[in-house]
Amino acid sequence: DAKTTQPPSMDCAEGRAANLPCNHSTISGNEYVYWYRQIHSQGPQYIIHGLKNNETNEMASLIITEDRKSSTLILPHATLRDTAVYYCIAQAGTASKLTFGTGTRLQVTL
Amino acid sequence: DTAVSQTPKYLVTQMGNDKSIKCEQNLGHDTMYWYKQDSKKFLKIMFSYNNKELIINETVPNRFSPKSPDKAHLNLHINSLELGDSAVYFCASSQVAGGLYEQYFGPGTRLTVT
Repeated sequence: DAKTTQPPSMDCAEGRAANLPCNHSTISGNEYVYWYRQIHSQGPQYIIHGLKNNETNEMASLIITEDRKSSTLILPHATLRDTAVYYCIAQAGTASKLTFGTGTRLQVTL
Repeated sequence: DTAVSQTPKYLVTQMGNDKSIKCEQNLGHDTMYWYKQDSKKFLKIMFSYNNKELIINETVPNRFSPKSPDKAHLNLHINSLELGDSAVYFCASSQVAGGLYEQYFGPGTRLTVT
């Protein structure tokens, strides 16, 4: 699994876009980028994943740089309910487990 | 309907006791997992079962014994509980084994060993 580096914390005003960066400079060709989040002490929740192309779903967008060494998760209109720890994971699609790092604690404020 | 459920939600017990945590998923998934989140919030895989067969055992002490009576259930039995076992234990499931398949997590069981 490639090592990922995320800022420990970020703030975002409600209604604004939250852009969460992740560095994965040692990612290999068969490794995907996954994002999960954990709200307070609930179980982690899947957000999105991608390999090379940018991806969008109803929750977020994932922008992966052309060299794949970094990515950004975008929550287009953050709400208070998006306050959580966001985990960026880089690992092979065939891997049977998720290897969580320390994540970014996103605080959405009024 | 809850997709992945765990019981109990809280468990307080004394050192040396044996306890079990139950997990059930109603998603029809083939693969189930146990994760442990320690006091520093570090979340780590413990076990994974695919169709009742153990596929991952992450050097967990053998005091921990998972049991999968069918593919919808994965229970965790812990013998001779120690203070260091205090943590939140999360069960998860996915359609099949492999990171490309979204993992659905249960609400967690907070175990406190005194």
